[in-house]
Amino acid sequence: QKEVEQNSGPLSVPEGAIASLNCTYSDRGSQSFFWYRQYSGKSPELIMSIYSNGDKEDGRFTAQLNKASQYVSLLIRDSQPSDSATYLCAVKGSSNTGKLIFGQGTTLQVKP
Amino acid sequence: KAGVTQTPRYLIKTRGQQVTLSCSPISGHRSVSWYQQTPGQGLQFLFEYFSETQRNKGNFPGRFSGRQFSNSRSEMNVSTLELGDSALYLCASSLDRLEAFFGQGTRLTVV
Repeated sequence: QKEVEQNSGPLSVPEGAIASLNCTYSDRGSQSFFWYRQYSGKSPELIMSIYSNGDKEDGRFTAQLNKASQYVSLLIRDSQPSDSATYLCAVKGSSNTGKLIFGQGTTLQVKP
Repeated sequence: KAGVTQTPRYLIKTRGQQVTLSCSPISGHRSVSWYQQTPGQGLQFLFEYFSETQRNKGNFPGRFSGRQFSNSRSEMNVSTLELGDSALYLCASSLDRLEAFFGQGTRLTVV
């Protein structure tokens, strides 16, 4: 079992729709969770961080965390073609480390 | 505020050679982590440096090493290069070992 799992996709949604990206993790002791966006040929860009159960909203993005189910999700509202990218879920264990464990990423395609 | 700067951006090396990559973190950030990204394995953690000390190491052979200087700049070195070392090497800096911000990466090709 991989430590952080994501559906590789591609996930295809029409412009203006809600895109839902999911991630599960295996280490129950994980404390911090992040979503990165990576455009083709570019480096990952941090778009959301979440540390406690529930929802966290930032503009069109909402991150959701459920530690009991070991599940993190990212919702993108009013999806735009410019949102087309690979979305990486990253998990950090204890507070005494900067190590991030990444999922393989989900490719999102937003069709005009 | 300047972001994370990695140099060089591209490198072509021959098998058996060694290579040194450089990373300058965001001003004030003391944690620097290195990652290798390949199409098959994704993003894999190499090591983390914090206050000039290696704090964590990933599951890579000893050919991969690094260091951090007193100004928080970091270098990683790969000796005796193999074809499989071809990858995008990413450096990330962090203020508080929570949110990490990536540089543009160094694309290493081993021929």
